Amino acid sequence: EPEVTQTPSHQVTQMGQEVILRCVPISNHLYFYWYRQILGQKVEFLVSFYNNEISEKSEIFDDQFSVERPDGSNFTLKIRSTKLEDSAMYFCASSEVRPPNEKLFFGSGTQLSVL
Amino acid sequence: LAKTTQPISMDSYEGQEVNITCSHNNIATNDYITWYQQFPSQGPRFIIQGYKTKVTNEVASLFIPADRKSSTLSLPRVSLSDTAVYYCLVAQYSTLTFGKGTMLLVSP
Repeated sequence: EPEVTQTPSHQVTQMGQEVILRCVPISNHLYFYWYRQILGQKVEFLVSFYNNEISEKSEIFDDQFSVERPDGSNFTLKIRSTKLEDSAMYFCASSEVRPPNEKLFFGSGTQLSVL
Repeated sequence: LAKTTQPISMDSYEGQEVNITCSHNNIATNDYITWYQQFPSQGPRFIIQGYKTKVTNEVASLFIPADRKSSTLSLPRVSLSDTAVYYCLVAQYSTLTFGKGTMLLVSP
């Protein structure tokens, strides 16, 4: 089965530093997403991306966050100046068509630790 | 966006059938019902989706009554590896929003 791949699996950074989380969605998928999950809490939506622009974003996705599809395969999430509360597991997902009547494929996540 | 309510946790034993019910009283006409499974430190994984009546795949069955105000995910003969969090989601055209889910613990 095709899969979404995320790198790195773990990222440790100092508060105030910039981080870039990388994702390779499934090749024929058109919709891309970032979610995050703080330890012990629910999976939270951050942003959706289609046709090289943001489709929808949550309140969490403020000016410190940005997404980009720099080439035909990668999809990145950048956090400009990390805060302690950004520590979480970040999941990338992709889908062939827009939900809800299509399934999202999630990656294994990047565990971000901000010290 | 229709709100969903499901039990926080459930316990079962290997080989039993497990039914997890989700209520979604304000489901809209065009909303679909989707269930995901999540293991610790992994991303959610799609299990099944339905609109009405019954849907079955190789993993589970989904029962949806005529009024669609609830749905039941049925896992036949669970094993230890089915221990996970199960999420019920209802959405039409908006992005999928996860609730707290049901933590299913399967014991030997």
